[in-house]
This record gives sequence, C-alpha cells and structure tokens, in this order.
Amino acid sequence: DIQMTQSPSSLSASVGDRVTITCRASQGIRNHLAWYQQKPGKVPNLLIYGASTLQSGVPSRFSGSGSGTDFTLTISSLQPEDVATYYCQRSNSVPTFGGGTKVEIK
Amino acid sequence: QVQLVESGGGVVQPGRSLRLSCAASGFTFGSYAVHWVRQAPGKGLEWVAVVSHDGKNKYYADSVKGRFTVSRDNSKNTLFLEMNSLRAEDTAVYYCAKDFGTIVVLMFFDYWGQGTLVTVSS
Repeated sequence: DIQMTQSPSSLSASVGDRVTITCRASQGIRNHLAWYQQKPGKVPNLLIYGASTLQSGVPSRFSGSGSGTDFTLTISSLQPEDVATYYCQRSNSVPTFGGGTKVEIK
Repeated sequence: QVQLVESGGGVVQPGRSLRLSCAASGFTFGSYAVHWVRQAPGKGLEWVAVVSHDGKNKYYADSVKGRFTVSRDNSKNTLFLEMNSLRAEDTAVYYCAKDFGTIVVLMFFDYWGQGTLVTVSS
C-alpha cells in the first residue's frame, strides 16, 4: 500500500509568514493529490486537487505543487484564520491521507 | 446549496451492529459517488468506503472489509453504512463526503457532512 507522510507534524509561524508543508508518497502518484484544511471543531475543507488546482472559493494565498512522490502546500502569507490542521490525500485508487500538519500562530 | 446530514451514530457494545445514514440535498445525488470517511477522537482522517453513482461498484478500506457494507438509495437521496462486528477501534466520527467527479469517481471530496459519532464500548 502507498503511504502518505507529511512534515512537519506541527508548526508555529507569525502572521504574514510564508508557510510550507510537505507531503511525500511512498510510490509515485503522478498529480493525484488533494489538500484539505480542517479548522478546530469543523469538517475538512477541500483546498487543492490535482496537486496544484485551487478549489473554487479558496483564497489565492494557498498554492500547491509537486508531482510523483513529493508535494508541497504553501501559504504565502499566513493569516489568523489559517489556524488549522492540513491533510494531504492520495486520490488515485484507495484514498489515503497523510497524518496531518497542525498550523498555529506564534 | 449542497447538504449532507448524517444520522444513526451512538454508543454500541463490541461485536454489535449499527447503521448510519446520510441524507443528501442540493445536488443531483444519482450522478455522484459518495464516500464514508472517519476520524477517531483527536486523530487524523481515514477513508472507509465508496459507492459509485449507480450503486453497482463498492470499495472498502482493508480495516473494514467484510464487516461494513455501503449502499445507497437514489430514489431517496440517501447513503447508508451498515457496520457489523464493531470493535473499539471503530470509534470515530463518521462523515459522508461527496466525490468531486460527475459519474467518474475521482476519489477526492468537495463536500462533507457534519459527521455522526460512533462509540464502541462495553
């Protein structure tokens, strides 16, 4: 089975900082990767699919890149409302989530 | 607007059964695959099962294969999850989630319900 590994597991950054989260697949998955944001006590929200396509309504400070085994979610300027746990998810064959990255404000 | 409303959760003893439902509205239910995804308390997300738009194709996570059955009733815009032989490790919030693709299953999710909590405990 393909495993999805996220790093770091948590991070603390200041408002306005550029934040980068990494997701690595144990085997190549081309661009079949989605990113979700889950705010505390809320349901997950789709941010990006196809590794780099921004879902409708998602702020442009979010971006995704990568292909094959290595993927990145970037928040260009961290905002207070971005406090959440972020999950990557393989979207070909059996959906598999990464372990999550908790983002906090310093 | 798209709405997914789960029901049927509760406290159940190990080895017993439970049936979850998910009522859908705001989209053409019969044109989309629908999934169950669960989240144990304080833990990450785990995909559980998917049923194709017409109910003909079903796939399961290894952790629930042989114990859980997903089904749908397109005439009632409702998704179901029959859970048998429940274990403590099945304790989680269970979400139904709409697949992004129309007819074709793309295996990622653009709308989620609020979830229903299943607690397996003696």
